[in-house]
Amino acid sequence: GQNIDQPTEMTATEGAIVQINCTYQTSGFNGLFWYQQHAGEAPTFLSYNVLDGLEEKGRFSSFLSRSKGYSYLLLKELQMKDSASYLCATTGGGYNKLIFGAGTRLAVHP
Amino acid sequence: EPEVTQTPSHQVTQMGQEVILRCVPISNHLYFYWYRQILGQKVEFLVSFYNNEISEKSEIFDDQFSVERPDGSNFTLKIRSTKLEDSAMYFCASTGGVSTDTQYFGPGTRLTVL
Repeated sequence: GQNIDQPTEMTATEGAIVQINCTYQTSGFNGLFWYQQHAGEAPTFLSYNVLDGLEEKGRFSSFLSRSKGYSYLLLKELQMKDSASYLCATTGGGYNKLIFGAGTRLAVHP
Repeated sequence: EPEVTQTPSHQVTQMGQEVILRCVPISNHLYFYWYRQILGQKVEFLVSFYNNEISEKSEIFDDQFSVERPDGSNFTLKIRSTKLEDSAMYFCASTGGVSTDTQYFGPGTRLTVL
């Protein structure tokens, strides 16, 4: 079966750094995605990891450890517009359906 | 920048009615997906579609659901007889020449069943 765990809510201050963790158990694994979702909107792609290690993309970085079933999303220099839900998702199977976690709701305060 | 589009943005229907949700995937993409998100819950996979046939479906995707690619651009999700519990946001997604590519999501259709 598939199971993805991430914290429900986090708060942080504008300009700070926040790390959102995700642990997963999956029967097949072809990669791990992070998506951002603002309330009432569609998920938008942030990052993709298929190999162990850190992927950096501007203010956002994502880390993967396949042996530990663990990933994190690091957001630097937080801005108010970063207030959103962050969805961890794994892919598996021949046609790579996305299996999503429940999402972490991040609130950025001034 | 190419994007996935969906119509309508909001659909209100009576229980038992049929609805068709429409999607236009990114033009050179080959793999298509439908997901749904009940308010306050996680995004759930419904079905994947490749080479004009369903490649995988979830337990949610029962006989009341069907998908079709009627022409070279549209991808539709039909719910034959809607139930109250079908109320949700429905997202279409597509990905390029390799199924491991990033899936890009449309803006969604909010379906409300009364």
